[in-house]
This record gives sequence, C-alpha cells and structure tokens, in this order.
Amino acid sequence: QSALTQPASVSGSPGQSITISCTGTSSDVGGYNYVSWYQQHPGEAPKLVIYDVSNRPSGVSNRFSGSKSGNTASLTISGLQAEDEADYYCSSHTSSNSVIFGGGTKLTVL
Amino acid sequence: QVQLVESGGGLVKPGGSLRLSCAASGFTFSDYYMSWMRQAPGKGLECVSYISSSGSYTNYADSVKGRFTISRDNAKNSLYLQMNSLRAEDTAVYYCARSLGSYLRLNYWGQGTLVTVSS
Repeated sequence: QSALTQPASVSGSPGQSITISCTGTSSDVGGYNYVSWYQQHPGEAPKLVIYDVSNRPSGVSNRFSGSKSGNTASLTISGLQAEDEADYYCSSHTSSNSVIFGGGTKLTVL
Repeated sequence: QVQLVESGGGLVKPGGSLRLSCAASGFTFSDYYMSWMRQAPGKGLECVSYISSSGSYTNYADSVKGRFTISRDNAKNSLYLQMNSLRAEDTAVYYCARSLGSYLRLNYWGQGTLVTVSS
C-alpha cells in the first residue's frame, strides 16, 4: 500500500493560516473517519494534534483544525506562530486493519 | 503522568537479532492497544506492528512480517518487539506508542531507541 500523499513543504508568515492536504484512496482516507495528524519537531517524538478527522486532544491549541472531503483530508493551522514550524504527518486507518502515514510536510514559518 | 521508555536498541549486523522493550507507567497498561512505529533517518513514519490490549490480536507491516514479533506482559506493564533476520533497511528510530482505542490514534509516544543494522 502506497503512502498517503502530502505536499513536501508549505510556508506562511506569522498570523497567517496554512492548510496541508493528505490524499489517499477509498481504502483508507475515504473509507474511514480515522484520520490523524502528527506534529514533529526535530529530534523529538511525534505529537498527536488531530484525531478522527477533526478532534483535538486535550491541550492542543484550537488554532489546529482538521477536515475531510472524499479521499483527501486537510489540516489547517490558523494564526501561525514560530513554534508551529515542524514536520507534519497525516495517517489513516486502512482496509487491511493497519495504519498508513503520509510522507510528511515541512512547515516553514517565514 | 504517562511515560513510555524504550530500550534495547543498538548496532547489529545484517541477519542478527535484537529485542526492544518499552516500559509503561502512569496509566492502566492492560486497557490500551500498543504499537511500535519507526522512522528511518531523514524519512517518514511507518507502523511496524501493533497489539490489542489483551495481546490476542497483532498486526504487522508487510516489510517485517515473519521476522518481527510483538508481545506484551500486562503484569509487568511492558511491550516488546523481537526483531530477527535484521536488514539494513530496518535501520531506524523505533518508537513505542499508546493508542486511543483500537484504531491507531497515537496520543503518547516514547522518546525512541535507535536500531542500526550494518556490517
């Protein structure tokens, strides 16, 4: 099964909003509402920021939001801050009862 | 607070074996699905394996099926990954992670342990 497709990089200025897309198939993203997003700073473990398409874990800023349409999920970060600069990975439950990740997107805050 | 501490990584020759351990604390270990994720240097994340809360169900990535075995000891609050027939492409940081429910939404991760397969 191929990885989910994410843009390699996105950028934005402080205070702006950015959106990262995550495209899969009907066997993963399109077939289940179990899409998650992870933030990873260099040298650190990933951190869950969105689960089940649009839910935020306790303690995650409400500047992070998620959505899904068809086979594509999206992560939006509003009011960009310097500390948002990180790699972001999407993941989805799959029809083989496993989880598949996207290739990752590097967010640069200009 | 929830803590996951991996150990057992290191340098091993191709064809060799390693056993990773993950010590869990701060939660009722036997209530949660657990998993091993890995990240090759400079690369993305991959789900290696996961195990149900009781240990009765396991799932493996195709790339490790038949070579790796996940297990858990709920009495010892510990998760394990036995890795045999290691290959260069298994070189990665291996993370132990706890899931929110039976679908893998990983809300707690360990700090990772590096496995290097090289002659």
